[in-house]
Amino acid sequence: TQLLEQSPQFLSIQEGENLTVYCNSSSVFSSLQWYRQEPGEGPVLLVTVVTGGEVKKLKRLTFQFGDARKDSSLHITAAQPGDTGLYLCAGHSRGKLIFGQGTELSVKP
Amino acid sequence: DSGVTQTPKHLITATGQRVTLRCSPRSGDLSVYWYQQSLDQGLQFLIQYYNGEERAKGNILERFSAQQFPDLHSELNLSSLELGDSALYFCASSVGSSDTYEQYFGPGTRLTVT
Repeated sequence: TQLLEQSPQFLSIQEGENLTVYCNSSSVFSSLQWYRQEPGEGPVLLVTVVTGGEVKKLKRLTFQFGDARKDSSLHITAAQPGDTGLYLCAGHSRGKLIFGQGTELSVKP
Repeated sequence: DSGVTQTPKHLITATGQRVTLRCSPRSGDLSVYWYQQSLDQGLQFLIQYYNGEERAKGNILERFSAQQFPDLHSELNLSSLELGDSALYFCASSVGSSDTYEQYFGPGTRLTVT
C-alpha cells in the first residue's frame, strides 16, 4: 500500500514567520501535487511537480520534489493569516491520487 | 471555482437508506473521480470513470456504486447507509485518465447519516 506521510499535522504560527511542511513516502510517484483546502470546501490545486529535484515557486510558496520522486516539501515565507487552511500533498500512481493526511496551518495576526 | 459542480451540497438521511450524489465535470473533461473525506481516514479515492467506463477502483465499499453517463456527468450511489458513512464526498475531474492530468475538485456533498 502506498502511503504519503505529512508532517507536521498541526502548525500554529504568527504572521510573518516562515514554515515548511513535509510529505514523505517509501514509494515513487510519477507526479506529486499540493492542494489547499478550506473548511467545507473542495481541495484547490496549488502546484504539480513532475521531475525529481524540481522546484516551483508560487509567490511566497516554494515547492520542491525530491530527487528520487518519493518526497516533497512546501515552504511558506512570511506567512499571512490568509494562508490558514489544510495543506494536502497527493501522489499520482496508476490513475489514483494518494493523499497525505494533511497539515492544518493556522497563522495568527 | 473549479468548474466541477456537485449536488446536493448537504444531505441528511437515516441509517439503512439509499442516496445518490451527482457530479458534473468541467467542460471538456472526460474523467471523473470520487473521493470520501472523513476525519479519521482523510481523503480516500473511491473510483474513477473515463468516458463512461470504469478505469480504477480504490477503497469503495460493495454498498457503494457509481456510473458515468453519456453526457459525462456521474452519480455515486450509497445504499444501506451506516453511521460511519457520514463524510464529505468529493468529485474531481480531469481531461484524461492517466497520471499526467491534473484533477480539479468540486465543492463536495456533506452526507450526515443519523
